[in-house]
Amino acid sequence: NAGVMQNPRHLVRRRGQEARLRCSPMKGHSHVYWYRQLPEEGLKFMVYLQKENIIDESGMPKERFSAEFPKEGPSILRIQQVVRGDSAAYFCASSHRTGRETQYFGPGTRLLVL
Amino acid sequence: RKEVEQDPGPFNVPEGATVAFNCTYSNSASQSFFWYRQDCRKEPKLLMSVYSSGNEDGRFTAQLNRASQYISLLIRDSKLSDSATYLCVVNRANFGNEKLTFGTGTRLTIIP
Repeated sequence: NAGVMQNPRHLVRRRGQEARLRCSPMKGHSHVYWYRQLPEEGLKFMVYLQKENIIDESGMPKERFSAEFPKEGPSILRIQQVVRGDSAAYFCASSHRTGRETQYFGPGTRLLVL
Repeated sequence: RKEVEQDPGPFNVPEGATVAFNCTYSNSASQSFFWYRQDCRKEPKLLMSVYSSGNEDGRFTAQLNRASQYISLLIRDSKLSDSATYLCVVNRANFGNEKLTFGTGTRLTIIP
């Protein structure tokens, strides 16, 4: 039973380019969460999605960042016009149901903006 | 004030010793509580959930004090493999508030 999968594991972009991070939840999980961990800081919630719906995007920066979880395929976190401050580890987690269900984390995508 | 506060450490502890971590949370609406561990440059992994009655899993014991909004983790007979960063995590766990709120973590190093 495969866990949460994320790709790419490492991504290098130049300032102004776009970054696309993909997350495939665990089999049977329909709830996806994205978190960001800046260097030497704790994980911070970004967005919570169910299939085709954004439930909570209170942690998303107002500009340049967007997320989707289509009916088919992985969840995508998209960062447009990246800046150096976007360099971080981006973790995706999934759960079977909402509420008190355990969230299982993927290995993360490490984004480096040059 | 941070929503979840932890002593960042580092804690450098000899192998076989007992070590305790504490954590406080500010939101009294928090419903679920967890300890995760994170190894260097890896993803967080659930160590254990924390219940009001306290719970134990092998060498690990977790306690929750709702009145004081305080969570603890005790590791007995520490092993070299326990070296990691321990993350205190809370969740309001009602619809629309499923996000996990993480402390910044306590770094533990077990010394041979």
